[in-house]
Amino acid sequence: DTAVSQTPKYLVTQMGNDKSIKCEQNLGHDTMYWYKQDSKKFLKIMFSYNNKELIINETVPNRFSPKSPDKAHLNLHINSLELGDSAVYFCASSQGELAKQYFGPGTRLTVT
Amino acid sequence: GDSVTQMEGPVTLSEEAFLTINCTYTATGYPSLFWYVQYPGEGLQLLLKATKADDKGSNKGFEATYRKETTSFHLEKGSVQVSDSAVYFCALQISGNTPLVFGKGTRLSVIA
Repeated sequence: DTAVSQTPKYLVTQMGNDKSIKCEQNLGHDTMYWYKQDSKKFLKIMFSYNNKELIINETVPNRFSPKSPDKAHLNLHINSLELGDSAVYFCASSQGELAKQYFGPGTRLTVT
Repeated sequence: GDSVTQMEGPVTLSEEAFLTINCTYTATGYPSLFWYVQYPGEGLQLLLKATKADDKGSNKGFEATYRKETTSFHLEKGSVQVSDSAVYFCALQISGNTPLVFGKGTRLSVIA
């Protein structure tokens, strides 16, 4: 059983398009995250949600909008895609203080 | 702000060689420290962690000791295998369900 799943795994699209990446966790965790990994493998937090509420929103363009319809899902919608958005996006979840974060397999976004 | 600095890669070793990947951190509080591993084409997996000074985390032959006096959490393994080839990330977490702060990752290649 997959603990944290993301769809799609690969996404190739053109500049200016709008796209969404979905994340689901079946672990019953109350906190979910989106991380971005750039071409140099540098990982950085983008958003963090706890019990469906945004608790951290790092400095990302407002073209990125996370949406959490329920505790098990955290989707990432991106408007007006740019070349620099090309990266691997990882979803993660955790439960409790200083808990282990479980990562999804990643979504490789390529903007052409 | 909080940050993690890792040694630059790539690191190339022969099988059965000794591995050290240096990691130092800067944090305002008393963080928990982690090593995550990313195998080719996969998401991140927690390798080991330590939550307080002098704790030693260990897993799969890898070890790291939380050194508060030197603000370090170096990863070591006595005898690496080809299957250890991956990117290794050092990370810290300050408290609660806060996101991880990652280092830039160190790529390890082990050759037979």
